[in-house]
Parts: sequence; structure tokens; C-alpha cells
Amino acid sequence: DIQMTQSPSSLSASVGDRVTITCRASQGISDFLAWYQQKPGKVPKLLIYAASTLQSGVPSRFSGSGSGTDFTLTISSLQPEDVATYYCQKYNSAPLTFGGGTKVEIK
Amino acid sequence: QITLKESGPTLVKPTQTLTLTCTFSGFSLSTSGVGVGWIRQPPGKALEWLALIYWNDDKRYSPSLKSRLTITKDTSKNQVVLIMTNMDPVDTATYYCAHRRAPAWFDPWGQGTLVTVSS
Repeated sequence: DIQMTQSPSSLSASVGDRVTITCRASQGISDFLAWYQQKPGKVPKLLIYAASTLQSGVPSRFSGSGSGTDFTLTISSLQPEDVATYYCQKYNSAPLTFGGGTKVEIK
Repeated sequence: QITLKESGPTLVKPTQTLTLTCTFSGFSLSTSGVGVGWIRQPPGKALEWLALIYWNDDKRYSPSLKSRLTITKDTSKNQVVLIMTNMDPVDTATYYCAHRRAPAWFDPWGQGTLVTVSS
């Protein structure tokens, strides 16, 4: 089965900083990758699908890139409301594995 | 508008069987390509995909939990049921159901239901 590894597991950055989160698949998954945002105490929310397509309503400071085994989620200018844990997920075929999550905090 | 809501017991004892129901609206599980999945999240931990059922009754399970899981659907009631046997305290988690249109992501998700396993 394909494993999804996220790094870092947590990070602390200042408001306005550029933040990058990495997700690596143990085998190629083309662009069948989604990113979710989960704010504290809330339900996960879809941010990006097909590795780089922004879900409707998601601020343009979020972007995704990558294909195959290496993917990134970037927040171009971190805002206080972006404090959350971010998860990647492969969805090309079962098992629909999630990454271990990256907790983003404000410094 | 698609909505999903999980229901079931909040507390189960070790070795008991958990039955959770996902009741949804805004889509039909008889539509080609549509599926409903279950995902869980232990307190303070990561998301874990559990199971998935499609419109054609095709079912998929997490390899690590396959022997303990059963997923079924009742299209007429717009419900999906997840059964997990031999519950253990490590199964304490918030359990979510979510809509999926194959081969795609989960969106949207239900509000989740916290299940605690304790004697």
C-alpha cells in the first residue's frame, strides 16, 4: 500500500510569512492528491484537489503543486485564520490514505 | 446542497460492536460514481480512512481494519452504516462520514460523532 508522509509535522511562522508543507507518496499517484484544512475543533475542509486546483471559496494565498510522488501546499502570506492542521490525501485508489498532518501555528 | 450526519452511541464497552449510521441528503447513492466513506480521528491525532461504499455496492476497506469492518448502504433511506467489531479503547475517536464522487476527494464531510470506548 502507498504511504503518505508529510513534513514538517508542525511549524510556527509569523503573519505574512510564506509557508510550505510537503507531502510525499511512497509510489507515484499522478495528481490524485487533495489537501484539507482542519481548524481546531472543526471538521476537515477541502482546500485543494487534483494537486493544484483550488476549491471554490478558498483564498488565493493557498496553492498546491506537484505530481507523481512529491507535492507541496504553500500559503503565500500566512494569516491568523490559517492556524490549523493540514492533511494531504491520495485518492486514486483504495486505500485512501491520509498524511500524518502538519500543524501550523503563529509565532 | 449535500449534507451528511453521523449518529450512533457515544460510549461503547471494550469487545462490543459499534454501529454508526450516516444519514445524507442532496445526492443519491444510486447515481453512478457516487460513494460514501468513513474516516476517524483519535483525539489529538491524524485522520485515518476506514471504509468506502459506492453506488454499485462496491466496497473498500482499510487493510489494517478490514477484518473488523463492514459497510452497507440503504439507498431508499439515504443511509450508510458502518459496523466495527471488537471495540478497544484505542478506537476512541471522532468518526466522520463524507461524500465522494469517484475517483475524487471527500467533500463535504459530516460533523462527526465522538465515540468513546471504556468500561
